[in-house]
Amino acid sequence: ILNVEQSPQSLHVQEGDSTNFTCSFPSSNFYALHWYRWETAKSPEALFVMTLNGDEKKKGRISATLNTKEGYSYLYIKGSQPEDSATYLCAWGGGFKTIFGAGTRLFVKA
Amino acid sequence: DADVTQTPRNRITKTGKRIMLECSQTKGHDRMYWYRQDPGLGLRLIYYSFDVKDINKGEISDGYSVSRQAQAKFSLSLESAIPNQTALYFCATSDSDREDEQFFGPGTRLTVL
Repeated sequence: ILNVEQSPQSLHVQEGDSTNFTCSFPSSNFYALHWYRWETAKSPEALFVMTLNGDEKKKGRISATLNTKEGYSYLYIKGSQPEDSATYLCAWGGGFKTIFGAGTRLFVKA
Repeated sequence: DADVTQTPRNRITKTGKRIMLECSQTKGHDRMYWYRQDPGLGLRLIYYSFDVKDINKGEISDGYSVSRQAQAKFSLSLESAIPNQTALYFCATSDSDREDEQFFGPGTRLTVL
């Protein structure tokens, strides 16, 4: 059974802290790895899609890395702000073959 | 205006009732999906559609049916709702040329009593 695991399940940090989450996925038949940001009561929004081993993507204070050979991706947030509070979803694959992780719920306290 | 909309946003119903959740999109995408999200689990695919005449079952289609009324509309029905169908339901779309990038609606929270 193919599975995508995210850790930690939830995380509480102080404003200004830097933090990171992990996504583990099957290393065989890799297609793409996605990160989404999901605020409560809103639509999940795509942050990054990565397709090549060693890919690094950055958007403002958020960045992500990809290791397809060992099957993991890290999402980093530098200097967390209260508005970063959300659930961060990782997804492996594409289209109807996408497998989603359960997410990491981030709480940033001012 | 949102590109992918879902109605209703919240619904409480009773066991045995028929429920329809609707999804509309203005992105012009061919592909549409219905997922459900349960606490502690990742999104799971219920049904997907490549175009109006092509509908396919996903991982957890039992107890659900769908209708693709037009390219822009994809509805999900629960013919006889049961309590374990209480969940958050998401509609999503993708372009057939870039199927890896999915765009989500805001979700419908369904409670079956």
